[in-house]
Amino acid sequence: AQSVTQLGSHVSVSEGALVLLRCNYSSSVPPYLFWYVQYPNQGLQLLLKYTTGATLVKGINGFEAEFKKSETSFHLTKPSAHMSDAAEYFCAVLSPGTSYGKLTFGQGTILTVHP
Amino acid sequence: SQTIHQWPATLVQPVGSPLSLECTVEGTSNPNLYWYRQAAGRGLQLLFYSVGIGQISSEVPQNLSASRPQDRQFILSSKKLLLSDSGFYLCAWSTAGGAGNTIYFGEGSWLTVV
Repeated sequence: AQSVTQLGSHVSVSEGALVLLRCNYSSSVPPYLFWYVQYPNQGLQLLLKYTTGATLVKGINGFEAEFKKSETSFHLTKPSAHMSDAAEYFCAVLSPGTSYGKLTFGQGTILTVHP
Repeated sequence: SQTIHQWPATLVQPVGSPLSLECTVEGTSNPNLYWYRQAAGRGLQLLFYSVGIGQISSEVPQNLSASRPQDRQFILSSKKLLLSDSGFYLCAWSTAGGAGNTIYFGEGSWLTVV
């Protein structure tokens, strides 16, 4: 069975500071990995995903994440936070080989950006 | 381009009343369709998925049901709502086939059962 752990339910940073949101997963096989963002009262928007190939993945809005198999991690980073980055972020995993996309989500991390 | 719509966006229903949330996808054919629920303070939980018309799989036992009467239409229903059914419901879709395909979410529907 898969599981996802997002360390820190709330992260607060200053505008212009580095954003680091942590995600660790547990899976019997290397999974596909996703980061989604959810703005208040809205659906989820895909930020980036890793399936195969290059382990450093670049996404929208300046975010990137690196798949580290040895650490079973897929942390999300952004060099300089903007006020508009304030939202809730979800890490999710998916087992290869299934015929449908049953995502397992982490509990989410609320990012607050203060001036 | 593909779009996903779900409605209503918000509804308040009394305990014991029925529920119908609808979702449609445009710009693609034979998608995989999903209903997720996001309860307050929790992550997202997959409720149902469908790989074709009339094909519904349930992930968790519950008071809800789903139907797929048309290729790009997915409906979430209940005959009698419970207080515990309150939450944020998200419809989603992905292309059929590979598990690595991205899942795209609708804007969500807030359900408050009173």
